[in-house]
Amino acid sequence: GESVGLHLPTLSVQEGDNSIINCAYSNSASDYFIWYKQESGKGPQFIIDIRSNMDKRQGQRVTVLLNKTVKHLSLQIAATQPGDSAVYFCAENTGGGNKLTFGTGTQLKVEL
Amino acid sequence: GAVVSQHPSRVICKSGTSVKIECRSLDFQATTMFWYRQFPKQSLMLMATSNEGSKATYEQGVEKDKFLINHASLTLSTLTVTSAHPEDSSFYICSARDRQGWTEAFFGQGTRLTVV
Repeated sequence: GESVGLHLPTLSVQEGDNSIINCAYSNSASDYFIWYKQESGKGPQFIIDIRSNMDKRQGQRVTVLLNKTVKHLSLQIAATQPGDSAVYFCAENTGGGNKLTFGTGTQLKVEL
Repeated sequence: GAVVSQHPSRVICKSGTSVKIECRSLDFQATTMFWYRQFPKQSLMLMATSNEGSKATYEQGVEKDKFLINHASLTLSTLTVTSAHPEDSSFYICSARDRQGWTEAFFGQGTRLTVV
């Protein structure tokens, strides 16, 4: 949902550690979810997606977990690198519609 | 992946003037495009859905006369901020999907609008 007036939560991790970014979504009818990475001053970039009929999907260094019971999504980044520093958003696609609703976002900071 | 190009990347305009932002799908046709607005340190807020050949669908609270959307072709949507005021200063981003269904949306690089 929207987060007007709120600042982004921040997750700080050491380079090489694993990162876990969480997202709570609002619509139980949502059938498709996407994680995006946004660097400062740029548009969002696709990271990984998952359909509602799955509970886990893996990509290169990233894993998305979906828990429909509690409407929770997480993004795991293995061996976090400085280039992973960015804001990460989850987005949900409501069944029957074609638009995405973005979550609050999390600022990931990778410390050397 | 598919490419969405947005222009300009930055624009400064005087209060009271209008600004047009273009969003193009470079290697696919998009019957639907989406316009978002993003304030610093905040999430993307959907403003409207741009439909090729028909009127745009605006989200609740978004003034359609303020933010004019035109989707005249399958590869181009434009957003015009009319009679801009300083509070319209924001980061505007467009997106499109290259097909229906469970598929990612591709985003433009965004337009930083500053109204002085």
